[in-house]
Amino acid sequence: QSALTQPASVSGSPGQSITISCTGTSSDVGGYNYVSWYQQHPGKAPKLMTYEVSNRPSGVSNRFSGSKSGNTASLTISGLQAEDEADYYCSSYTSSSTLVFGTGTKVTVL
Amino acid sequence: EVQLVESGGGIVQPGGSLRLSCAASGFTFSSYWMHWVRQAPGKGLVWVSRINSDGSSTSHADSVKGRFTISRDNAKNTLYLQMNSLRAEDTAVYYCARGGSTSCYGWGQGTLVTVSS
Repeated sequence: QSALTQPASVSGSPGQSITISCTGTSSDVGGYNYVSWYQQHPGKAPKLMTYEVSNRPSGVSNRFSGSKSGNTASLTISGLQAEDEADYYCSSYTSSSTLVFGTGTKVTVL
Repeated sequence: EVQLVESGGGIVQPGGSLRLSCAASGFTFSSYWMHWVRQAPGKGLVWVSRINSDGSSTSHADSVKGRFTISRDNAKNTLYLQMNSLRAEDTAVYYCARGGSTSCYGWGQGTLVTVSS
């Protein structure tokens, strides 16, 4: 199972909106509404930000929103803040009854 | 408070075995799917294995299939990962995570496994 494809880096200024893409195939992202997004700060464990494409766990800011179109999922961070600087990973359920993560995106707040 | 504490990591020679444990507390362990996810130093997250709430259903990534086995003891609130025939490329921090079948809600702090001669 190949990793889902994400851009290596995305940057934005405070207050701006940024979008991170996550591209897979019809056997994973495109085939199921089971895409999740995780945030990971350096040296820390990952944190779930969205699940089942667009649902947010309790306690996660509504500045984080997920969507999907075809084989590509996206995470949008609006009103970018300094604390949002971190690595972000998407994941998807697959037709092999496994999960697969994306390659990861480093978000930099300018 | 939900807590997941991994243990059992360490240094092992190529071809060796190791069993990781994840002690869970603060939630009804027997109601949740559990996952293992690993992260090589400076690299991205890689999903390893998952197990359903009663242990009757498991799945593993192709890279570890036949070498790693996930299991759980609901009476002890503990998740396990038996790792055999270890390779250098298995070197990573191994995280256990509480989840549904398709996502990981909460994560432990990880345990480092180093495969080296």
